[in-house]
Amino acid sequence: GAVVSQHPSWVICKSGTSVKIECRSLDFQATTMFWYRQFPKQSLMLMATSNEGSKATYEQGVEKDKFLINHASLTLSTLTVTSAHPEDSSFYICSARTGSGANVLTFGAGSRLTVL
Amino acid sequence: KNEVEQSPQNLTAQEGEFITINCSYSVGISALHWLQQHPGGGIVSLFMLSSGKKKHGRLIATINIQEKHSSLHITASHPRDSAVYICAVPNSRGGSNYKLTFGKGTLLTVNP
Repeated sequence: GAVVSQHPSWVICKSGTSVKIECRSLDFQATTMFWYRQFPKQSLMLMATSNEGSKATYEQGVEKDKFLINHASLTLSTLTVTSAHPEDSSFYICSARTGSGANVLTFGAGSRLTVL
Repeated sequence: KNEVEQSPQNLTAQEGEFITINCSYSVGISALHWLQQHPGGGIVSLFMLSSGKKKHGRLIATINIQEKHSSLHITASHPRDSAVYICAVPNSRGGSNYKLTFGKGTLLTVNP
């Protein structure tokens, strides 16, 4: 079946540094990927929609200059948390549409970010 | 925006019990997702359904579009079923099925 690989699975960084998280579709092409954030005991929240070859669409309240999304190829989208602060500590998950016109989403395993 | 309510929030069962998790939403949709999140955080898509019932192994998902309600059932539950089960729906009527609103999840613990 379709697999989405997310890396790293966990990362600890110092406040003020930037962290990049990768989301790769391993055996299919994904024109659209989604980035979510989940705080402890909270629901998953959609942060942005990543479109291959174009700018990402951010949800209301998500700072596009802080959460940089790049979707340069049909198999890779990256999320960079710039100038990370402790309040950015969270679980970040990506998903990708599996197949053209299909409403099936495949999720990555997630990346746990801890900012000290 | 679609509002999603799941119940119960927490559920503890003994191995072998029949489990039911419920999901209600506020805006009519064309499809609903059930997801499973394990303690490490990784998410697996269990079902996407738009009507009636789907079955996969010991898992059964049903949906009533008119009542805006879906249920996830687990038959003969096992400790390995312990996870958070999440219901997700498109976030607006007629919206893309890819932009989802998620429920807060139901934490299921199955004891041996």
